[in-house]
Amino acid sequence: GAGVSQSPRYKVAKRGQDVALRCDPISGHVSLFWYQQALGQGPEFLTYFQNEAQLDKSGLPSDRFFAERPEGSVSTLKIQRTQQEDSAVYLCASSLAAGSGYEQYFGPGTRLTVT
Amino acid sequence: AQSVSQHNHHVILSEAASLELGCNYSYGGTVNLFWYVQYPGQHLQLLLKYFSGDPLVKGIKGFEAEFIKSKFSFNLRKPSVQWSDTAEYFCAVNGRGTDKLIFGTGTRLQVFP
Repeated sequence: GAGVSQSPRYKVAKRGQDVALRCDPISGHVSLFWYQQALGQGPEFLTYFQNEAQLDKSGLPSDRFFAERPEGSVSTLKIQRTQQEDSAVYLCASSLAAGSGYEQYFGPGTRLTVT
Repeated sequence: AQSVSQHNHHVILSEAASLELGCNYSYGGTVNLFWYVQYPGQHLQLLLKYFSGDPLVKGIKGFEAEFIKSKFSFNLRKPSVQWSDTAEYFCAVNGRGTDKLIFGTGTRLQVFP
């Protein structure tokens, strides 16, 4: 069956460029999460959607980061005016329903390198 | 502050050796606990989870973990590792009513034949 997919898998951006990262969750999954994983670290929470509603964006590191999920399925994480410290793997995860007890299924990630 | 600590950053074992990876958490209130594994070139996937009940939970591929509430720990164990267990292992926690996961920094396990 289809899992969570993310595109592009790799992205190189020059400092100052805007980037958009896409996540296709598992069909029918209500909850969608974005995490950032720096080299040698565990994933860190960025933001969370329940259907199209963004319920928690406490992890977004600055106002350069913006996420949306307008129709409650595909989500886009946008980073404006990229900086070198934005270099990381961006992981998307989805779960069947809202609630802390549901398994989160992770995508392969997008590796962003800012030069 | 909510956090997860994994003290073993890199573990090297021979096949058939026993494994125990440490995980301690700091989190107020009732918790759910998870171990995720990332095999080389693959996605993060769930190994096992604890929500309530029996503190000894069994997961896939012969792994198990024990929740010790008094020690705020959730250590991962396997009696006999295989070369195919080579991977990175992440401990994670969330709280009732809070879906986001808080991860540890991960433990890289290398198993040599």
